Amino acid sequence: QKEVEQDPGPLSVPEGAIVSLNCTYSNSAFQYFMWYRQYSRKGPELLMYTYSSGNKEDGRFTAQVDKSSKYISLFIRDSQPSDSATYLCAMKEGSQGNLIFGKGTKLSVKP
Amino acid sequence: NAGVTQTPKFRILKIGQSMTLQCTQDMNHNYMYWYRQDPGMGLKLIYYSVGAGITDKGEVPNGYNVSRSTTEDFPLRLELAAPSQTSVYFCASKGLAGGPSNEQFFGPGTRLTVL
Repeated sequence: QKEVEQDPGPLSVPEGAIVSLNCTYSNSAFQYFMWYRQYSRKGPELLMYTYSSGNKEDGRFTAQVDKSSKYISLFIRDSQPSDSATYLCAMKEGSQGNLIFGKGTKLSVKP
Repeated sequence: NAGVTQTPKFRILKIGQSMTLQCTQDMNHNYMYWYRQDPGMGLKLIYYSVGAGITDKGEVPNGYNVSRSTTEDFPLRLELAAPSQTSVYFCASKGLAGGPSNEQFFGPGTRLTVL
């Protein structure tokens, strides 16, 4: 079993839809959870981070962590064509540890 | 600030050739990383450095070498290129600040094809 599992998609939705992106993990020591967004032919950029369990909201984006289920989610409300990108989950044990990335989910939002 | 810069943007190598991928950051970050990204496979850590003169292996170090003589530069060396090294290579850096927002900043990537 890989440490971090993420469905690569692709996922295609109409503009305005609510998008749900998910990752599961096996290492219960992970405490820091990130979502990176990567536009085509660009480097990844940090979108959101969460420490331990709970929810975090930033505009149209909400990150959720359920440590009991080893499951993290990213929700995008009112999705826009500009949200079309690959979304990578990443996680680590300690604040200075190395990140373990999921495979990334390719999202396309159609106008 | 230019952030993290990588050169070249693209390169085609023949099997057995060698090359160095350059990475420079101007944020005075201590930590630097090299990743490779294959289609649909996420990012795999090749090597990382916690400061000048200190490097360590990541998940997939075979076929690569690194050095860190300055804070700013972290070159990645391929000695005998193989088709399996065809990939997009990303360099990243981060500072010493602790806490969950201790993010890595990524460069634009180098697309390498080995034929």
